[in-house]
Amino acid sequence: EIVLTQSPGTLSLSAGERATLSCRASQSVSSRYLAWYQQKPGQAPRLLIYGASSRATGIPDRFSGSGFGTDFTLTISRLETEDFAVYYCQQYGDSPCSFGQGTKLELK
Amino acid sequence: QVRLQESGPGLVKPSETLSLTCTVSGDSISAFFWSWVRQPPGKGLEWMGNVYYTGSTNYNPSLGSRVAISVDMSKNQFSLKLSSLTAADTAVYFCARGLRFQPSHFDHWGQGSLVTVSS
Repeated sequence: EIVLTQSPGTLSLSAGERATLSCRASQSVSSRYLAWYQQKPGQAPRLLIYGASSRATGIPDRFSGSGFGTDFTLTISRLETEDFAVYYCQQYGDSPCSFGQGTKLELK
Repeated sequence: QVRLQESGPGLVKPSETLSLTCTVSGDSISAFFWSWVRQPPGKGLEWMGNVYYTGSTNYNPSLGSRVAISVDMSKNQFSLKLSSLTAADTAVYFCARGLRFQPSHFDHWGQGSLVTVSS
């Protein structure tokens, strides 16, 4: 199973700032099958990015994904108050699919 | 609009079997691939398995033979059974829609159903 390690564990920023979240895989993720999700307390995860860099339907363009191989990044260009949440990466290039442990993005 | 809704008991005893159902509305269950994902309180996400309308399934090896997922096309539902429960199975259980039978990302999720394993 591919192990995903997200960093940092917690990121404290202010609204308007740029957020950069990292996801590193224990082995190469084939075909860039890497997704990012946002989860708020008491809610289900929400798909943001799939295929490493494609935005899901309805996701604002301040969210962008990049990377290949073992290193992937989610960037939020200008944080809005509703962006403060936990973010998970997921690889689906190898079975079973697996998730990172999450990065908590908190308001500074 | 696609909507997924989990249903089932919120409390199950140790050693017993958990049974949950996901009802899909706004979409045909034959068009996509349907998964169960769980999340222990305060922890991360674990994919459990998926099913196609034909009844074909994939399971996470970490669950061994404890897990079974089935589909009922007549009701546009799919179901999860997890046996030999322990306290470690206490979690929020989500159903989700995947776009391929092989490992997939998930574009629609149910709201989740908290299942507590306790005597």
